[in-house]
Amino acid sequence: DAKTTQPNSMESNEEEPVHLPCNHSTISGTDYIHWYRQLPSQGPEYVIHGLTSNVNNRMASLAIAEDRKSSTLILHRATLRDAAVYYCILGAAGNKLTFGGGTRVLVKP
Amino acid sequence: DTEVTQTPKHLVMGMTNKKSLKCEQHMGHRAMYWYKQKAKKPPELMFVYSYEKLSINESVPSRFSPECPNSSLLNLHLHALQPEDSALYLCASSPYGGPGPQHFGDGTRLSIL
Repeated sequence: DAKTTQPNSMESNEEEPVHLPCNHSTISGTDYIHWYRQLPSQGPEYVIHGLTSNVNNRMASLAIAEDRKSSTLILHRATLRDAAVYYCILGAAGNKLTFGGGTRVLVKP
Repeated sequence: DTEVTQTPKHLVMGMTNKKSLKCEQHMGHRAMYWYKQKAKKPPELMFVYSYEKLSINESVPSRFSPECPNSSLLNLHLHALQPEDSALYLCASSPYGGPGPQHFGDGTRLSIL
């Protein structure tokens, strides 16, 4: 399974944007890039996914590098409820998700 | 509130017990998943069911036995577990077995005495 590399943790101030990087240099042509987050004491929550083009939804934006070897999840205005572990995952065939270590995001008021 | 319901929320069992974890969804999803998550670690995929058939088994020990009686229900039967099997067991579903969003339940926290 292709691997992803993320920083262990990031801090942000409330109402400021958060840019979460993810490196995936061994990505294959058919791998989708997924982002999930996990709040304390909850199951993971889908955030966004994409293949080649940048994607936007109500939760976040996903910026994918032209060579697809990296991507960035953008939370436009962080709130205290966005404090969570954010996972960048490459989705192989059959929607098999292999979670990496994730980035723990701390939002300061 | 989650649309994937897992019961029980907590389970304590001895190594000789037999118990089952249950997962239910009513979103019409045709793919369902079991994950295991140890403390402070990411979730690890165990099994995938697609259209009620087992499509992926990630070399899980036979003391874990999955079952998908119908498209809305997924069970995980447990027998002769070891203390190291103590973990959070997460169920997820997705519309089909393709690259779409998975919806997770909040898990069953299992402790093996």
